[in-house]
Amino acid sequence: QSELTQPPSVSGAPGQRVTISCTGSSSNLGAGYDVHWYQHLLGTAPKLLIHGNNNRPSGVPDRFSGSKSGTSASLAITGLQAEDEADYYCQSYDSSLGDWVFGGGTKLTVL
Amino acid sequence: DVQLVESGGGLVQPGGSLRLSCAASGFAVSSTYMSWVRQAPGKGLEWVSIIYRDGSTYYADSLKGRLTMSRHSPENTVSLLINSLRREDTAVYFCARGQGTFEDQYFDYWGQGTLVTVSS
Repeated sequence: QSELTQPPSVSGAPGQRVTISCTGSSSNLGAGYDVHWYQHLLGTAPKLLIHGNNNRPSGVPDRFSGSKSGTSASLAITGLQAEDEADYYCQSYDSSLGDWVFGGGTKLTVL
Repeated sequence: DVQLVESGGGLVQPGGSLRLSCAASGFAVSSTYMSWVRQAPGKGLEWVSIIYRDGSTYYADSLKGRLTMSRHSPENTVSLLINSLRREDTAVYFCARGQGTFEDQYFDYWGQGTLVTVSS
């Protein structure tokens, strides 16, 4: 059971917009800790997409954006492309555990 | 360019030990936080351990007592020794570089991972 809850799967057609939610609690997102997002294809290195709630590293397309409010966060992907099909994870710090925690992951399918 | 390359994974019997290694290039491992993160088959990512800039270490509660993470500055590597391996430790183990403030850190570079299989 992850401290951060994500939907197991989302899907969308090419060109559409999808969002992936990440729900936490008062000991992580609600405590003001940042949320970060990663894209992961099995067999490869996870890739940082968003850090500090809404900051894109250089090289990440502006189709990817992040937001956070209270105990929830979301990743939005616009102009969906076939290459976006991957697993997406949110990550934050949990003060009750004293650990860095990941969401359970969301599999994005591009229809 | 920043690069992380893990090694040392393999098949080990329950109760055995394994030392994983992560070779870094493009930066000094002593200049930042370094973590190990694992992914069990069909599961999500799980943070395992961290070594701070000052060399101190911290481990996930679920694994505490069985792990030793260390840093080897001349070789620019970090390693993770896992003792008393259990079947549920079967996973791909990634090393990752931490950036940002300590609690709000994020992992900006990851290796490709090394597979640890615990089975008799």
